[in-house]
Amino acid sequence: SAVISQKPSRDICQRGTSLTIQCQVDSQVTMMFWYRQQPGQSLTLIATANQGSEATYESGFVIDKFPISRPNLTFSTLTVSNMSPEDSSIYLCSVPKGQEAFFGQGTRLTVV
Amino acid sequence: GENVEQHPSTLSVQEGDSAVIKCTYSDSASNYFPWYKQELGKGPQLIIDIRSNVGEKKDQRIAVTLNKTAKHFSLHITETQPEDSAVYFCAARGGAGSYQLTFGKGTKLSVIP
Repeated sequence: SAVISQKPSRDICQRGTSLTIQCQVDSQVTMMFWYRQQPGQSLTLIATANQGSEATYESGFVIDKFPISRPNLTFSTLTVSNMSPEDSSIYLCSVPKGQEAFFGQGTRLTVV
Repeated sequence: GENVEQHPSTLSVQEGDSAVIKCTYSDSASNYFPWYKQELGKGPQLIIDIRSNVGEKKDQRIAVTLNKTAKHFSLHITETQPEDSAVYFCAARGGAGSYQLTFGKGTKLSVIP
């Protein structure tokens, strides 16, 4: 398995501000994924963070809104920019290990 | 792309009874099907998975079945306990070289003591 640590675990932010979420993995991984889980909903893939290249974004998500960094093979950050109440969600990072995929505990974001 | 449908959205069972959650997928190239359990305030936890070359897999009280022809797979929990109460998600992954998972909408399972 993989041990994945996310920070912060939760935050309440003012609209118009930005929040950076950190994801640390206990071993080197080629890819890291960022998901959004809106209240009571399923998981939606935001982007794939690749070390040494730009992140790959899914339809409906753009780099200006969700910039991602991947400085090394164990760490990534996701920034939620210019937040609005609609950004209130749980944000999760995930890493593949072989065929399996493991998740961090999530960052519960509330925008007021 | 892949589309995963999950039913039911909510399920209540008496403690000790069995629970079954069903999922269908659209992409015949999908070859990996995990199930996740998500407790309140936590991230999804992988509880069992099945690959396309296997029809059934069991781990203690949890089992998963896969019908590739019909493109559906199911989670079976026997002898349910209150700590089984959570939201369960099924997922499917595409063919060779794909790491992306497509998730179902989730099933909220409540086990009544």
